[in-house]
Amino acid sequence: NAGVTQTPKFRVLKTGQSMTLLCAQDMNHEYMYWYRQDPGMGLRLIHYSVGEGTTAKGEVPDGYNVSRLKKQNFLLGLESAAPSQTSVYFCASSSGVTQPQHFGDGTRLSIL
Amino acid sequence: SQQGEEDPQALSIQEGENATMNCSYKTSINNLQWYRQNSGRGLVHLILIRSNEREKHSGRLRVTLDTSKKSSSLLITASRAADTASYFCATDLSGTYKYIFGTGTRLKVLA
Repeated sequence: NAGVTQTPKFRVLKTGQSMTLLCAQDMNHEYMYWYRQDPGMGLRLIHYSVGEGTTAKGEVPDGYNVSRLKKQNFLLGLESAAPSQTSVYFCASSSGVTQPQHFGDGTRLSIL
Repeated sequence: SQQGEEDPQALSIQEGENATMNCSYKTSINNLQWYRQNSGRGLVHLILIRSNEREKHSGRLRVTLDTSKKSSSLLITASRAADTASYFCATDLSGTYKYIFGTGTRLKVLA
């Protein structure tokens, strides 16, 4: 049972480039989340989804877009990468809003 | 600013000792969760406590919740080197689907 899988694990981008981070879960969870983790800041919610075809903004959504075309996948896109988006990105899923979140191991993204 | 703030930011103890870390939050909650993060890994859920509960146990973990003080504590008894990790509290924002994570406590257990 893979749980939550994030692809890629590492990536280096140049300013202005675009990319998509993929999150896949095999637990049939309705809720999925994208967070970023920066030193001393804890985790901050970027976007989330409460079911297939739905997305909503979190605390820090600017510069990111998301899509949930399939229940098991949640994609995070950076249209024009900026150095301020250098971070570790975590995806999580849960079966309900009061249930534990299951996290992937993160994508380490550096933008030069 | 963060909804949840952990205290202390860092804690270093000897193996076998107990470790206590605290979380304070600002608004009403339905429940509070504690997570552990090992270096270079994702977060792992430890325990969830609901707003109508005052204490909960899971193995060597004991969590308390004081809604009047808007605070929670996580106690790890008889700590082991393998408990070395960062610990985060997460609180839900009532009426939303969101959880807000604190900045974490870095625990180091010395063998």
